[in-house]
Amino acid sequence: AQSVTQLDSQVPVFEEAPVELRCNYSSSVSVYLFWYVQYPNQGLQLLLKYLSGSTLVKGINGFEAEFNKSQTSFHLRKPSVHISDTAEYFCAVKLDSWGKLQFGAGTQVVVTP
Amino acid sequence: DVKVTQSSRYLVKRTGEKVFLECVQDMDHENMFWYRQDPGLGLRLIYFSYDVKMKEKGDIPEGYSVSREKKERFSLILESASTNQTSMYLCASSLAGENIQYFGAGTRLSVL
Repeated sequence: AQSVTQLDSQVPVFEEAPVELRCNYSSSVSVYLFWYVQYPNQGLQLLLKYLSGSTLVKGINGFEAEFNKSQTSFHLRKPSVHISDTAEYFCAVKLDSWGKLQFGAGTQVVVTP
Repeated sequence: DVKVTQSSRYLVKRTGEKVFLECVQDMDHENMFWYRQDPGLGLRLIYFSYDVKMKEKGDIPEGYSVSREKKERFSLILESASTNQTSMYLCASSLAGENIQYFGAGTRLSVL
């Protein structure tokens, strides 16, 4: 069975500081990984995805993630956060050919001035 | 742009009521999903549909049913709402063979 673990439920960070959100997965098949973001009172939107190829994936809003097969991780990073990055972030792994996803529990990022 | 529209942002219902949550997508996507979102639990799949009239149970189908009579519309039904179904409900859609799901804004349901 595939699963996703987000190691931090909440990450406080100061504006313009870097942030890293940790995600570990377990999978017995080819791995497709995703990060989604949920801004307050909104649905989820895709930040970035790893399907194959380069292990460093760049997404929207300056975020990037690195796929590490040996450590079964897909950590999300941003070198300098803005107040507008305050949101909940979800890591997800594709479960099957239908495109079903298994989501992690989410990490709440709170950016303060 | 893909648009997934959920008919209500907030809904308050009483225990025992039959509740319908509606979701419409405008991009001719084959796949549609209903999730429940609870703090600390992330998103959990309730039901999935890969075509009109086709459905599959997800991880937590108990107490829910779904209907997909038209390709663009996927309804979630709570036959007899209970207080433990108070939650945020999210609908999503995707193209068959594609990996990206597009989400609606969610319906926050309170069952009193």
